[in-house]
Amino acid sequence: RKEVEQDPGPFNVPEGATVAFNCTYSNSASQSFFWYRQDCRKEPKLLMSVYSSGNEDGRFTAQLNRASQYISLLIRDSKLSDSATYLCVVSEWAGKSTFGDGTTLTVKP
Amino acid sequence: GAGVSQSPRYKVAKRGQDVALRCDPISGHVSLFWYQQALGQGPEFLTYFQNEAQLDKSGLPSDRFFAERPEGSVSTLKIQRTQQEDSAVYLCASSLDGSQTYGYTFGSGTRLTVV
Repeated sequence: RKEVEQDPGPFNVPEGATVAFNCTYSNSASQSFFWYRQDCRKEPKLLMSVYSSGNEDGRFTAQLNRASQYISLLIRDSKLSDSATYLCVVSEWAGKSTFGDGTTLTVKP
Repeated sequence: GAGVSQSPRYKVAKRGQDVALRCDPISGHVSLFWYQQALGQGPEFLTYFQNEAQLDKSGLPSDRFFAERPEGSVSTLKIQRTQQEDSAVYLCASSLDGSQTYGYTFGSGTRLTVV
C-alpha cells in the first residue's frame, strides 16, 4: 500500500463544474501537506498548502482531517486551464516529501 | 538565478554508460532535493541536502546512484552503469530552509532514456 493514495481518475468535467479530489496518507507523523499541479511533460508546481483549519485560494479550497488522515481539494467553476494532474503531497517536519501518483483532470468546453 | 536550473534537459545513454545530471538551485536556498519520476507516477524521493550535508539518501535505489553538493550550491546526481530501469525524469527541487513550510520549487527536470 502506498503512503499517499489518491483518487485514480481521470476526471472529465465540463467548464464551470465543481470537482473534488481526495487523498489519504498513512504516516501519522506527517506535519505538512500540499497540493501540487503538474502539466503534461512539465515539472510539478506548488498549488497550495493545506492547513487543519481549511484554506481557500480563489476557486480552490483545501481541507485536512488529521484524525482520518485525509486531504481534499475542491475546484469550483472549472476552467479549461485547470486541466492538469493534481498531486497530493505530505511530509514530516523537514526532509523528504511523499507524493501521490496524481489525479488527472480534463476540463472540456 | 530566478529558478531552479537543471541540465541537460534530455539525456540518452547506452546501457552501462555513466551519466551526470546537474542542478543549480535558487540562490540562497539551503535545502536541495532529488526526485525520480517514472511515467504515470508521482515523484519518488531520492536524496536531500541541507547546505553541503547529505542528510538523507534513503531513496537512492542502488549503490550505482551517488549525489553530491560540495559547496552547498550546485548539486550533481551521478548514475553509474545505467540500466533500462533508470529511464525516468530526474527532478531537482530547492527550498528556502529545511522545513516544509513553503513547499518546493522544482526545476524542469532531466529526462533520461537508457537504450
